[in-house]
Amino acid sequence: AQSVTQPDIHITVSEGASLELRCNYSYGATPYLFWYVQSPGQGLQLLLKYFSGDTLVQGIKGFEAEFKRSQSSFNLRKPSVHWSDAAEYFCAVGDYGGATNKLIFGTGTLLAVQP
Amino acid sequence: DAGVTQSPTHLIKTRGQQVTLRCSPKSGHDTVSWYQQALGQGPQFIFQYYEEEERQRGNFPDRFSGHQFPNYSSELNVNALLLGDSALYLCASSLAAEEAFFGQGTRLTVV
Repeated sequence: AQSVTQPDIHITVSEGASLELRCNYSYGATPYLFWYVQSPGQGLQLLLKYFSGDTLVQGIKGFEAEFKRSQSSFNLRKPSVHWSDAAEYFCAVGDYGGATNKLIFGTGTLLAVQP
Repeated sequence: DAGVTQSPTHLIKTRGQQVTLRCSPKSGHDTVSWYQQALGQGPQFIFQYYEEEERQRGNFPDRFSGHQFPNYSSELNVNALLLGDSALYLCASSLAAEEAFFGQGTRLTVV
């Protein structure tokens, strides 16, 4: 069955430090992969997506992610974190079978940023 | 473009009651999906509507039902509310199989 694992429930980084959030997926075919960000009490905003092609994907707000098929991973990175990046981050795989495009989410990683 | 809009933003209901949540998709989108996000969890797929029909359903009981109207807007209905139904309900719209855009959600509290 398709699934997404985000091993880190909570991460704290200092402002200006680099960030890497881990995501591993289980999916039978070539996956469609997404990272979303959620501020408290808000909906989900798409940061970036991978459908095919270049395995290094650039997104909004200075984020990037790298698809590694051999490791079934799609880790999110940012070279320098800003205080406004504090939020919860969700990795998702798109299940596009059966003419639907439902998303299967991980449990999320809560990012705290220290001044 | 107003994006995906959901109403109401917050709702408090009593156990056993029924609730209806509403969603207007982003302009040009024809597909609406509903997700339930319990506290501290990732969103879970409830069902998806396309051309006014339920196209796929997640692992949710029949108490959860929905509808899509000719203008592509959608409703989520939950009957016989349980305490465990307390969650943030998210609506997402898309054009066919393209990327989904999410609304701000409806926070449902069952007491």
